[in-house]
Amino acid sequence: QKEVEQDPGPLSVPEGAIVSLNCTYSNSAFQYFMWYRQYSRKGPELLMYTYSSGNKEDGRFTAQVDKSSKYISLFIRDSQPSDSATYLCAMSVVRLQGAQKLVFGQGTRLTINP
Amino acid sequence: EAGVVQSPRYKIIEKKQPVAFWCNPISGHNTLYWYRQNLGQGPELLIRYENEEAVDDSQLPKDRFSAERLKGVDSTLKIQPAELGDSAVYLCASSYRGRGIGELFFGEGSRLTVL
Repeated sequence: QKEVEQDPGPLSVPEGAIVSLNCTYSNSAFQYFMWYRQYSRKGPELLMYTYSSGNKEDGRFTAQVDKSSKYISLFIRDSQPSDSATYLCAMSVVRLQGAQKLVFGQGTRLTINP
Repeated sequence: EAGVVQSPRYKIIEKKQPVAFWCNPISGHNTLYWYRQNLGQGPELLIRYENEEAVDDSQLPKDRFSAERLKGVDSTLKIQPAELGDSAVYLCASSYRGRGIGELFFGEGSRLTVL
């Protein structure tokens, strides 16, 4: 069993829809939770991060962490065609002196249709 | 500020041939990572450098893969000889240890096809 599980999709929704992306994990030592966005033929870029249970909002994006269930989510409101990308969840244990060792999910390919 | 630069962007070789990838991290970033991303999968760590020291290479297939980071700046990842299963995107990332969450900044990757 992988440490981080993510439904690869693909997921296709109409413009303006609310999108929900999810990951589950098995390692209870994970403390930092991140969402990366990866456009086609580009490297991943950090979208949001959190290190506590609960919600964190940034514009149209909300990251949610439930440590008791080992479940994290990313919600996208008012989705736009420019949000079409692969979304990767990533997690790490409490970092020592700043070095990150991320474990990535498989990635969910999302398409927003105009 | 320039991002992480990788070259070549694309490489097609026949199996058993050698190949090398080069990475120039963001200036001042002391931590450098090489990840491999197979088609439809998330990136998997191959090796992590703190300055010029390889501090985590447990996932690097050492029989055919090698890496170096001379002077703690640029890095090279080499595969010799390449196998069909090595076809993937090789991503380089860098971060600044000791600042914030140590966010990783990725390059655009080097896409390898082994025929």
